[in-house]
Amino acid sequence: EVQLVESGGGVVRPGGSLRLSCAASGFTFDDFGMTWVRQAPGKGLELVAAVNWQGGNIGYADSVKGRFTISRDNAKKSLYLQMNSLRVEDTALYHCARQGSSWDWYFDLWGRGTLVSVSS
Amino acid sequence: EILMTQSPATLSVSPGERATLSCRASQSVGRNLAWYQQKPGQAPRLLIYGASTRATGIPARFSASGSGTEFTLTFSSLQSEDFAVYYCQQYNSWMYTFGQGTKLEIK
Repeated sequence: EVQLVESGGGVVRPGGSLRLSCAASGFTFDDFGMTWVRQAPGKGLELVAAVNWQGGNIGYADSVKGRFTISRDNAKKSLYLQMNSLRVEDTALYHCARQGSSWDWYFDLWGRGTLVSVSS
Repeated sequence: EILMTQSPATLSVSPGERATLSCRASQSVGRNLAWYQQKPGQAPRLLIYGASTRATGIPARFSASGSGTEFTLTFSSLQSEDFAVYYCQQYNSWMYTFGQGTKLEIK
């Protein structure tokens, strides 16, 4: 089955760290760019970070730049998001999503998400 | 950063009726525009890319058009399963941004 499954979310205090993982199956992972998109409770979608198929081209939202690091391991078919210096406003459901084509950054496959809660 | 603005925020429509959602970009995004559907507790689902191309498995009652800064998503005849939140997303230039969403609810 073609799917993405996220893990690693949890409750953390402000200033803490978490590492999210996204396991891919059912498709050739290293053919696709990948991204993390988050959704705060009751809010819309915000792209957090993206990485191209080989991991050499990376971008971050200004809101997480310098605190979050996206990476991938194509051999393990996995995507990661290292989140440091977490803030209350980082509380959200974090989805991983697959790039829809080699050239275009729309997203044709999404995971159900893993919940990150930052609270004191 | 390109700002995407969707209207209306909420649209109340009866099943079987036609409905149109709008998405406006703060600067031209060409045809690099996607639409997604999200139901409660579910991940977003790609409906449209390239401003008007339906994704795999998306029924023909969904259609979309537009270019530059003005885009629309149209439902020819709403089915019960279409009531959800819809987001547009531009992928013309980094940072790729989403609209705030339109909630399509049953009237």
